Amino acid sequence: DSGVTQTPKHLITATGQRVTLRCSPRSGDLSVYWYQQSLDQGLQFLIQYYNGEERAKGNILERFSAQQFPDLHSELNLSSLELGDSALYFCASSVNLHTEAFFGQGTRLTVV
Amino acid sequence: ILNVEQSPQSLHVQEGDSTNFTCSFPSSNFYALHWYRWETAKSPEALFVMTLNGDEKKKGRISATLNTKEGYSYLYIKGSQPEDSATYLCAFIIDFGNEKLTFGTGTRLTIIP
Repeated sequence: DSGVTQTPKHLITATGQRVTLRCSPRSGDLSVYWYQQSLDQGLQFLIQYYNGEERAKGNILERFSAQQFPDLHSELNLSSLELGDSALYFCASSVNLHTEAFFGQGTRLTVV
Repeated sequence: ILNVEQSPQSLHVQEGDSTNFTCSFPSSNFYALHWYRWETAKSPEALFVMTLNGDEKKKGRISATLNTKEGYSYLYIKGSQPEDSATYLCAFIIDFGNEKLTFGTGTRLTIIP
């Protein structure tokens, strides 16, 4: 158990809908990363927060947004869902850039 | 576009043999390099974080080296065991102001008993 909790584990939803994925980082970790892993693809960086502030952004679609709350948990919001958004979404947390990232178990999103 | 490249893409190694693979990254800017092991149906787990040119890290039979001037890192596994079968990922951070932890596509290692 990495100490990073992602909910829900599985999510099935229809095209056009909106979902929220939640991540609780390890206790004491200030940095949260979000990644997307589509079928046969590697980990694609979406966005990173540090202590509530957005620090880095990848090729995140405009339909996607995220935030990190004062209690350091983070949410990834995906809207106007398309079939191609079906993927495994990972959250990871770390104390800072000098330390390793710990990954949650992922949320598997299926858009039908 | 800053890419992290890993080679080979996949590797089959006889149990007991030693092996190594490569992570290449842009050498123009460098902040940190991470190595992770990713077993099927699990989440990636960190092996090493390296920040200094010439860094060498070791954990059991696995070790890694870092050359920031030429932009590469090697991961070595000595005396491969079946439990070493996994995908090994490296990830790169360009600098403190650009904190994307960018992953390579990994080297898929299969140990043949």
